[in-house]
Amino acid sequence: QSALTQPASVSGSPGQSITISCTGTSGDIGTYNVVSWYQQHPGKAPKLIIYDVSERPSGISYRFSGSKSGNTASLTISGLHAEDEADYYCCSFAGLKTFNVFGSGTKVSVL
Amino acid sequence: EVQLLESGGGLVRPGGSLRLSCVASGFTFSKYDMHWIRQAPGKGLQWVSAVGVSGTGYSSDSVQGRFTISRDNSKNTLYLQMNSLRPEDTAVYYCAKDSLGETTYFDSWGQGTLVTVSS
Repeated sequence: QSALTQPASVSGSPGQSITISCTGTSGDIGTYNVVSWYQQHPGKAPKLIIYDVSERPSGISYRFSGSKSGNTASLTISGLHAEDEADYYCCSFAGLKTFNVFGSGTKVSVL
Repeated sequence: EVQLLESGGGLVRPGGSLRLSCVASGFTFSKYDMHWIRQAPGKGLQWVSAVGVSGTGYSSDSVQGRFTISRDNSKNTLYLQMNSLRPEDTAVYYCAKDSLGETTYFDSWGQGTLVTVSS
């Protein structure tokens, strides 16, 4: 099972909005509404920011939102803050043989 | 507060074995599926294995037959027995707690333990 495809990097200025895509196949994102997103700062453990495609855990800013269309999921960060600079990973359930597959990761830079 | 504390990482030669542990606290460990997820140096995340509340384990193709996941609910501890280790298994290994719902996502993570496979 190959990793889900994400852009290597996305950048934006403070206050702008950015969107990170996560492209899979009909065997994962296209079939299951089980997409989650994780934020990872350097040297730290990943942190859940979106689950079930578009749900936010308690304590996660409303500036983070998720969506899905066909085989592609997206994470939008609105009103970019300096602390949003981090790596972001998507993850999808991929059936009872492969189970879970992560995206290749996207480095977000705040200019 | 949920806490997950991994241990057992270190330097091991190719072909060797290592057992990782993850002690959980702050939640009812026996009620949750648990996972191991790894990250090679400078690389992305890779799901490794999961164990259900019943003790049934599942693994990715890349470690199937070499790694075994298990749990001891009396000790609130998750394990990963790693045999026939290869250089490509070098990574930080994280334990992660699953949600209580029907869908899978990793809502809490440990700080990770580094496994280095090298001669």
